[in-house]
Order: sequence, then structure tokens, then C-alpha cells
Amino acid sequence: EPEVTQTPSHQVTQMGQEVILRCVPISNHLYFYWYRQILGQKVEFLVSFYNNEISEKSEIFDDQFSVERPDGSNFTLKIRSTKLEDSAMYFCASRASSGSYEQYFGPGTRLTVT
Amino acid sequence: EDKVVQSPLSLVVHEGDTVTLNCSYEVTNFRSLLWYKQEKKAPTFLFMLTSSGIEKKSGRLSSILDKKELFSILNITATQTGDSAVYLCAVEALDDMRFGAGTRLTVKP
Repeated sequence: EPEVTQTPSHQVTQMGQEVILRCVPISNHLYFYWYRQILGQKVEFLVSFYNNEISEKSEIFDDQFSVERPDGSNFTLKIRSTKLEDSAMYFCASRASSGSYEQYFGPGTRLTVT
Repeated sequence: EDKVVQSPLSLVVHEGDTVTLNCSYEVTNFRSLLWYKQEKKAPTFLFMLTSSGIEKKSGRLSSILDKKELFSILNITATQTGDSAVYLCAVEALDDMRFGAGTRLTVKP
């Protein structure tokens, strides 16, 4: 069964460093999303991406964040200068089409900023 | 401001019990309401609801949406220890999705 994959599963980085979280969505999906979940808190929407551009972003998704689909398969989330409060689980999700609302989630990347 | 509120936040039951989880929402441009089960890591999809009054059923789980009163319930009958998880309600509006805080269900043997 096709699935969303994410790498790495866990990344530890120092405050101020840049990180890139990688996702490979399901191959025929058109809509892509990033979410984060701070430990013990709820899942929060960050950004949605369609047709090679951001379609919606939340107030969390400020200038330190960016997303890219550099080739036909990868979907990345870059955090430019990490802060302690960026420590969280980051989930990527993808959806097939505008007629299908089900988002398939990847296993997540745990980011720890020290 | 859009919001999704789940109740209760936490629930402990014994195997065989029936539970009802609640989700209320205030969202502009509502498209759908989705239920997810989150165990260790990523949420896994359970149901998507778009129309009022139509029950979705999968085994011991069922869910229904009331678009007039802006809520949904998720029922689990004859609970098993494997049902222990956080159950997330999410509401999709245009191109974003807002999650509730979740209900942590613990099923004791």
C-alpha cells in the first residue's frame, strides 16, 4: 500500500542552525501539507501546497519557514534559524485530489533543538 | 476565530464499555470533519464526514455529523485495549485543517 515517508525520523540540532525535513508524498497525490505537534499538545497546521505554490499557511508559518518541492517526489520543510520552541514532531501529509478529503500522514520527524 | 473543541480530554474505561467522544467546531468555509486515531506517532484516518445525519460505520466504530449544531460524535462499542489512543477531530476549511486537542482514551483490561 502506498505511504507517505519522512526522513529523518529524529533530528537533533543546535539553536540557530538550519534544518531541512524531507517528505516523499504518495506518488499521484497533488496536495501536500506540513503539521507540527509539540510534545503533549495538539496537532497544528503549518502550510498547504498545491501546484508548486503555497495555498494556505497558518500564523505559525512565519519567515523562518519555507517549503519546496524540488523535484517530482520530495516535499521539504526548511526552518532557517531554529529556536528551542521549534522542538516538535513534524508531520507531512498528502491528499489525492480536490474531490478527496482524506489526508495520509507520514510517520513524522521528531526535531529536537538544543 | 476558527476552533475545534473536543471533550472529554481524557477517558478511562474497561474493556467492553461503550464510549462517545465529542467534537464541536466553529469554522468558516467548512468542507469536512475528519476523525483520526493517534497511537504512537502519526494520526491514522478513521472517518470523513461531510453531510449531516449520515452515520459512517467501520466495525465497532461509528460517527455522525450535525452541521446545524456544529458537532460530531465518535462512538466505539465493546471497547478493547487496542482502542487505547488519542482520538483527534479535525475540520477542513478551504485549504487548511484545524485539529482539536484530542481525547485520550485508555481502555483497561
